[in-house]
This record gives sequence, structure tokens and C-alpha cells, in this order.
Amino acid sequence: SQQGEEDPQALSIQEGENATMNCSYKTSINNLQWYRQNSGRGLVHLILIRSNEREKHSGRLRVTLDTSKKSSSLLITASRAADTASYFCATDPLETRGGSNYKLTFGKGTLLTVNP
Amino acid sequence: KAGVTQTPRYLIKTRGQQVTLSCSPISGHRSVSWYQQTPGQGLQFLFEYFSETQRNKGNFPGRFSGRQFSNSRSEMNVSTLELGDSALYLCASTPKTSGVYEQYFGPGTRLTVT
Repeated sequence: SQQGEEDPQALSIQEGENATMNCSYKTSINNLQWYRQNSGRGLVHLILIRSNEREKHSGRLRVTLDTSKKSSSLLITASRAADTASYFCATDPLETRGGSNYKLTFGKGTLLTVNP
Repeated sequence: KAGVTQTPRYLIKTRGQQVTLSCSPISGHRSVSWYQQTPGQGLQFLFEYFSETQRNKGNFPGRFSGRQFSNSRSEMNVSTLELGDSALYLCASTPKTSGVYEQYFGPGTRLTVT
């Protein structure tokens, strides 16, 4: 079953605008990650936020994490046409703490379209 | 460093056949995970290997199996293919470093079962 649920499922904006995607999850986590996937290709890691962090920045990306609400948001500022892709949140469940087992549970993604 | 490589990139098989997919992780990465991606189910975890041992397995039937070699390269095998096995199969590696969790994905193998 899916741990993360992204919202919205699809988002269409103009270049230069900001894009915000949300992710909700069900169980306690070690960390939450965001990945990008261009059409039919592999995933690219964007940013990781640990469960004891509330906000993290990387270039034009800003991620927040609210563990009390079990939710995260990804903000892409000043979007570009090249940002057009699917964005996934992925959680590392708390049950895998210790590193002896590791797997990510992905949501179904938000399809972001940035129009030139 | 070279990225994660997967071969072949595209594959067409018929129902009932079996298939083997290969993944070479980033040099130095010892953990390899496999995922299946379909439009209906999204990305689903198949299994993870570390030091030639399967440490974790997702909820897939026994037709799906894998292995890892001493050089960390991994293969996954699907026997008795079904139409529903058509998917993008993604391999990911992660370094065995404390506190580092991000995974590095390969480009995937697109499997079509007819």
C-alpha cells in the first residue's frame, strides 16, 4: 500500500510562478525524501529531510515537514519549463531504523507542467 | 562516478516466458533495491539486497526473485510472465554510510509483456 499521498495529482503553472506540492503519510518515519522523474525515466533525488527537521532548502527548493500532521510540502520557486516532471515523496518508515533493512515507500506523485 | 546502469533498457516478452534484468550500482554502493512502476499501482518496492543477502522484500509473488553478486551487481528475475508484469523496473543503490539514506536510481528497464 502507498505510504505517501501527493496532492494535487496534477499541477499546471506558468514559467516564473511557484509550485507547491503536498505529501501526507500514515506511519512514523525516519526521514522523508522528494524525487523527480522525467517522463518514463529514472528518479532523481532532490532533497531529504529528517524527522527532527522542520524545513530545508536546496537552491530553488524548499521542503517543510510537520510530523504531528504527518505531512510535507515541496515548494519550487521561480519555476522553469525544465521543471516539468512528476514529483514523488518517499518515506523511510521508522520500523527500518538501525539500517539493517531499508526500503522507501513512494506516493503516486504530482505531475507538474510548467508552461513557457 | 558513473551512475546506476540497467540493462536492457527495453524488453518485449510474451506471456509465460521468463526475464532477467540486470543492475550495476554506483561504485562503492553495496545496497541495491528494486522497484516496479506501473500507472495503476505507482512505485512499489520489490526487494533490497545488501552483501549478497536479501534483507527486505515487498509484497510480490514468488515469481519475482533476485540476487546480488559479490561485486554488488544485482539481477532480478520474473518467471511465468503475466500481462500485468508490464512495467518500468527501476533499480536503485545507496551507499552504506551512516545517516545517508537517499537512493540513486538507474534509468529503468521498460518491460512489455504481450
